Amino acid sequence: GIQVEQSPPDLILQEGANSTLRCNFSDSVNNLQWFHQNPWGQLINLFYIPSGTKQNGRLSATTVATERYSLLYISSSQTTDSGVYFCAVDIGQFYFGTGTSLTVIP
Amino acid sequence: DAGVIQSPRHEVTEMGQEVTLRCKPISGHNSLFWYRQTMMRGLELLIYFNNNVPIDDSGMPEDRFSAKMPNASFSTLKIQPSEPRDSAVYFCASSGPSGTLPSTDTQYFGPGTRLTVL
Repeated sequence: GIQVEQSPPDLILQEGANSTLRCNFSDSVNNLQWFHQNPWGQLINLFYIPSGTKQNGRLSATTVATERYSLLYISSSQTTDSGVYFCAVDIGQFYFGTGTSLTVIP
Repeated sequence: DAGVIQSPRHEVTEMGQEVTLRCKPISGHNSLFWYRQTMMRGLELLIYFNNNVPIDDSGMPEDRFSAKMPNASFSTLKIQPSEPRDSAVYFCASSGPSGTLPSTDTQYFGPGTRLTVL
C-alpha cells in the first residue's frame, strides 16, 4: 500500500515562531487532507488540498502532487496550535500519516 | 447547530458482548464518516456514507463490524462480538453537501466514543 510519512515527528516551538510540517506520500493520490487533533482529542479538518495552495488565517497548505508531498505552514504560532497534525491521502482507500506532535510554549 | 453528536462517550464492555456506537451528523450534511484511532494503528477510516448509502467500507476491519445509516440524521457502528483489540476511540464526522465523491467539504468531527473491551 501507499506510504504516508510525516516530519518531523515532534516539534517544540516558542509562541510566535513559524513552522513547516511535511507530508510525503509514495504514490499518486486523489485527495489529501490535513487534520489537527488538540490535546483533548478533538479532531478538526484543516484543509482539503489535493494540489495547489490554500490559506486560512495563520495556516496555509501547499501540495505538489507531481512531487508527492504536502506542506502545512503555521505562522505566529499560539499555544492553542498545540496538538497532533495528521495528513491523510485518498487513493480509493484512505491512509493517514503518523502525525507531527506540536507543542507551543508560552 | 449542536455539531456532530456521538453516544455513548465512554463504553466499557466485556469480550464477546455486542457494542453499538451512535452518531448524529450535522443537519444538512450528506456525507458521514466513521474513524477509529488507536496507539498502534493511528487513525483509520472505517467507512463512509453519502446520502445514507455506504460508499467505501474497505476500512472495516472484519465481519464483526457493521455500519448502518437508516436516515440522514442517524448512523450506527456495531461490533459483534467485541474483542479486546477493538479498544479504541471511534470518531464520527460529517460533511457536505458538495455532491462530490469523495466529499471535498470540510469534515466536522464528533467528540468520539472511547471503547474499552475487557
